[in-house]
Amino acid sequence: DAGVIQSPRHEVTEMGQEVTLRCKPISGHNSLFWYRQTMMRGLELLIYFNNNVPIDDSGMPEDRFSAKMPNASFSTLKIQPSEPRDSAVYFCASSPGQGGSYEQYFGPGTRLTVT
Amino acid sequence: DQQVKQNSPSLSVQEGRISILNCDYTNSMFDYFLWYKKYPAEGPTFLISISSIKDKNEDGRFTVFLNKSAKHLSLHIVPSQPGDSAVYFCAASNDMRFGAGTRLTVKP
Repeated sequence: DAGVIQSPRHEVTEMGQEVTLRCKPISGHNSLFWYRQTMMRGLELLIYFNNNVPIDDSGMPEDRFSAKMPNASFSTLKIQPSEPRDSAVYFCASSPGQGGSYEQYFGPGTRLTVT
Repeated sequence: DQQVKQNSPSLSVQEGRISILNCDYTNSMFDYFLWYKKYPAEGPTFLISISSIKDKNEDGRFTVFLNKSAKHLSLHIVPSQPGDSAVYFCAASNDMRFGAGTRLTVKP
C-alpha cells in the first residue's frame, strides 16, 4: 500500500482565497483524522471520521473550516476564506479501528502558506 | 483543556546514554497510550504503545512505562542514537489528541 496520500504537498495562496486539501486514506482503514501542526499549538486534532461519518469536529477552529468524507477513499478539508493565521502544516491520518486504541498512519502533510 | 501534557519541550542527551521522555494525563479512563516520532517534513510515525492493564512494554531499545496512580507515562530509549533525534509525541486513546511534543537531540 502507498500509505496515506495527501495533496498538494505545498500550497501558497493569498488571503481570502479558498483552499482545498485532499487526503486518500489507506485502503481498509475506517477512521480518518485531520490534524494541524503549528509552532504555538503543536499537533491539534481538527476532525475525526469513522466509516465516513464525522464523529468529533470540536477541534475545527471556526466556520471557515469544513471537512467532508464522501466515500471511504477520499476526504477534503476546505478553508474559505483563508487567512494568514491558517498557515500551518495539515496532516491527514487513517486508522484501522475506531477511536485512538489503534495506531494512526499519517500522510506527509500539506504545508499551507497564506499571504 | 489539554488532557495529555508533555511539559518538556526539548531534551538533549549524549549518544549511548538513556533518553527519558515524559507525559502526563488527566483522564483516568484512558485505557491505551501511544508514542509517535516525527522527523522534519514528515508525518508522525507510530513507535510504541501500552495498554492501561500493563505497566511496561518493551520493543528493542524503546520501553514505555505507565504509572496509573500518578497518571504518568515515560518513554525510555537506551542506548540513544543520533538517528533518534526527532520530536516525540504521546497520545491517549479515546481522545486522539496529542501532547505538545518533546524535541529530542542526541549528540554524537
